[in-house]
Amino acid sequence: QKEVEQDPGPLSVPEGAIVSLNCTYSNSAFQYFMWYRQYSRKGPELLMYTYSSGNKEDGRFTAQVDKSSKYISLFIRDSQPSDSATYLCAITGSARQLTFGSGTQLTVLP
Amino acid sequence: GAVVSQHPSRVICKSGTSVKIECRSLDFQATTMFWYRQFPKQSLMLMATSNEGSKATYEQGVEKDKFLINHASLTLSTLTVTSAHPEDSSFYICSADISGQGILGYTFGSGTRLTVV
Repeated sequence: QKEVEQDPGPLSVPEGAIVSLNCTYSNSAFQYFMWYRQYSRKGPELLMYTYSSGNKEDGRFTAQVDKSSKYISLFIRDSQPSDSATYLCAITGSARQLTFGSGTQLTVLP
Repeated sequence: GAVVSQHPSRVICKSGTSVKIECRSLDFQATTMFWYRQFPKQSLMLMATSNEGSKATYEQGVEKDKFLINHASLTLSTLTVTSAHPEDSSFYICSADISGQGILGYTFGSGTRLTVV
């Protein structure tokens, strides 16, 4: 079993749609939960992070963590074509080594 | 914000030759750098962790003699792919750990697309 599983997609939505991206993880020791956005042929950039369970909102983006079910989500409201990218969940614990999901490729159609 | 400069962005080399990839932290010191490999439509897989002035720590299954990592200064880490073969073709990305910034301190380079022909 992989430490982090991510819905592979690809996902294609019309502009303005609400997008839901999800990951599950197996190690309950994980403490930090991040979402990275990666444009084609570029390195990932940190989009949002949360510590422990709960929600965190930043503009059109909401990150959600449910530690009881080991499930994390990223919601994008009013999606834009510029949101088209690959989204990677990443999780880390005290060792500070990031474990990435396989990424979900998102395309927002104008 | 912190910037990690990675060069080259793209390289094509012949099978059997060696390729060096550089990763520089601009305007900050990075005592730790991570090197990842990413195959098409797959996630980033950690290859090794390098600490300035010491030997790199390689992940299981990564050949240390094939992927030479040097972290000689606080602003520069290099990855050399020796005797490259077509199966080494991949996207290589470095990440610098900016001390004191916790999880927010992970800053990635823009990656190097290596094609071995």
